[in-house]
Amino acid sequence: EAGVTQFPSHSVIEKGQTVTLRCDPISGHDNLYWYRRVMGKEIKFLLHFVKESKQDESGMPNNRFLAERTGGTYSTLKVQPAELEDSGVYFCASSQAVGGDVRRNTEAFFGQGTRLTVV
Amino acid sequence: GDSVTQMEGPVTLSEEAFLTINCTYTATGYPSLFWYVQYPGEGLQLLLKATKADDKGSNKGFEATYRKETTSFHLEKGSVQVSDSAVYFCALRGGGTSYGKLTFGQGTILTVHP
Repeated sequence: EAGVTQFPSHSVIEKGQTVTLRCDPISGHDNLYWYRRVMGKEIKFLLHFVKESKQDESGMPNNRFLAERTGGTYSTLKVQPAELEDSGVYFCASSQAVGGDVRRNTEAFFGQGTRLTVV
Repeated sequence: GDSVTQMEGPVTLSEEAFLTINCTYTATGYPSLFWYVQYPGEGLQLLLKATKADDKGSNKGFEATYRKETTSFHLEKGSVQVSDSAVYFCALRGGGTSYGKLTFGQGTILTVHP
């Protein structure tokens, strides 16, 4: 079974440009999460999808970040325009709801992350 | 809100040394606690977990006990190997309406020398 896959693994862009990160969760996992680790600090929650709907986007830093999850399958995270402080590693994770209850979840499986460098 | 505080690194040990990485947390209710590990060039992997007070999670020789009275979940291993070199993250998942969201500590870099 394929794990969580993220594209690209690395991205270097100039300040002001746009970058789109992609995450393919494990097939059948309704929950999809985005996290970010900046400058060796803690990994911080960005947002949570249940299928195609945003359940919680309280961690999104500002309106330069836009996340979508088309048809409840893969997800994209777009940063437009990118700023220097957006540099970091962006992780995606997915999990399955237990018995259809989104408050009860299996273990979260993480992708390898996308390392974003804004110069 | 929920928070996790991890022992600051980096930690450098010789092979077969004893390892402890401290982790304390603040959370409402009854969180589940986790240790994740990131090996060089790889993604985050779940190392072990505990879902209620006094539970002990264990895997690959690592152990951690959920201590509610001290709000701690310290990671230990009796004899580390070079292959244990990685970044270790302590995390919690709140109960109730957290919907599976994880709160992480800042990570501890472990380097084990032969």
